[in-house]
Amino acid sequence: AQRVTQPEKLLSVFKGAPVELKCNYSYSGSPELFWYVQYSRQRLQLLLRHISRESIKGFTADLNKGETSFHLKKPFAQEEDSAMYYCALSVNYGQNFVFGPGTRLSVLP
Amino acid sequence: EAGVAQSPRYKIIEKRQSVAFWCNPISGHATLYWYQQILGQGPKLLIQFQNNGVVDDSQLPKDRFSAERLKGVDSTLKIQPAKLEDSAVYLCASSSYRGRGHYGYTFGSGTRLTVV
Repeated sequence: AQRVTQPEKLLSVFKGAPVELKCNYSYSGSPELFWYVQYSRQRLQLLLRHISRESIKGFTADLNKGETSFHLKKPFAQEEDSAMYYCALSVNYGQNFVFGPGTRLSVLP
Repeated sequence: EAGVAQSPRYKIIEKRQSVAFWCNPISGHATLYWYQQILGQGPKLLIQFQNNGVVDDSQLPKDRFSAERLKGVDSTLKIQPAKLEDSAVYLCASSSYRGRGHYGYTFGSGTRLTVV
């Protein structure tokens, strides 16, 4: 069965500091990995997909199949990055997801 | 485009009562999903519809939960009777195929259910 873990429930960093949100998954095949974000009082929304290999709002994530990880990184955190971040796995082209428990990122001034 | 609409936003009921949630997906989205998000956890898929047919309901507690999408557009999720552990946010999402193996996926704002 597919599973996604995010070891940190809460991550606090100061503005301008680097941030890394950890995500590990278990799946024997070739999954698609995603990061979703939920800002305060807003809907869950897609941040980025590993297939796109893009940088969104300064965030990047690299799929490491050897370590089964998909950590989210940003070199300089901003206060507006404060939100809940969910790592998600899909095995059918993003038709449905297995979500991790989420990490709350708090960027302090 | 208009987003995924859900109602009500909040609902408080007593255990053993019944409750229903409504979802209107983005126009033209053939696939509709219901997720349950318990406090402190990520969303968990309950059921997936393709048009008005069920694709996956393996995690739906069928003894008390039911869902329908009669005309392939709106959907209703019902809980009867509710238990305390059903307290959660119920999220609806819809998707459409955008080509190159990519689905555009949009979540609604959710219905927060409290069972007392």
